[in-house]
Amino acid sequence: GAGVSQSPRYKVAKRGQDVALRCDPISGHVSLFWYQQALGQGPEFLTYFQNEAQLDKSGLPSDRFFAERPEGSVSTLKIQRTQQEDSAVYLCASSQSRDSGYTFGSGTRLTVV
Amino acid sequence: GDSVTQMEGPVTLSEEAFLTINCTYTATGYPSLFWYVQYPGEGLQLLLKATKADDKGSNKGFEATYRKETTSFHLEKGSVQVSDSAVYFCALKGPYNQGGKLIFGQGTELSVKP
Repeated sequence: GAGVSQSPRYKVAKRGQDVALRCDPISGHVSLFWYQQALGQGPEFLTYFQNEAQLDKSGLPSDRFFAERPEGSVSTLKIQRTQQEDSAVYLCASSQSRDSGYTFGSGTRLTVV
Repeated sequence: GDSVTQMEGPVTLSEEAFLTINCTYTATGYPSLFWYVQYPGEGLQLLLKATKADDKGSNKGFEATYRKETTSFHLEKGSVQVSDSAVYFCALKGPYNQGGKLIFGQGTELSVKP
């Protein structure tokens, strides 16, 4: 597609529930990033893929967070046993290469109740 | 570690006023610097960038100059419009981090009144 697509746009989860957030990057983009944006804050880096390889997951806040990109295209961010502090907007971005500009998706707003 | 600090918002201006949003950074080496804009309900969009000291990035009437001596990258526009109302994020990309992840400031909300 023309841009980075994320789904769902909004997700309400009960505390303890598992969620999966999807990112469809721009076709052919090698690099894919996930960011977490809490209310009123700037985005914070979670993890980075180059094709199917997860090269940096230093920003994942706990082992409840897991990301994959098995075929080097679509990526899924999974959060197990959600907690209230996981409530945030989760942003996905892709780029053609390390030095190219990023294109961000509109994000998934996760609310844990 | 690397970090970015922006002036706090919200900033409220009248149309045609002059805009400055301050941004300072801390980084190892010589990072690339960016301003992103987020309109309501939309994703982040790159507004402008500068990759080395004294470079000036510009786009849509906005400008920012990479000042190494003051570790700053302040955003300016001479005459704002109502359509500029958005949240603005300053960000850096360190020269050494793998993959080129961005480090963002906390954002500054701009509201322009007619």
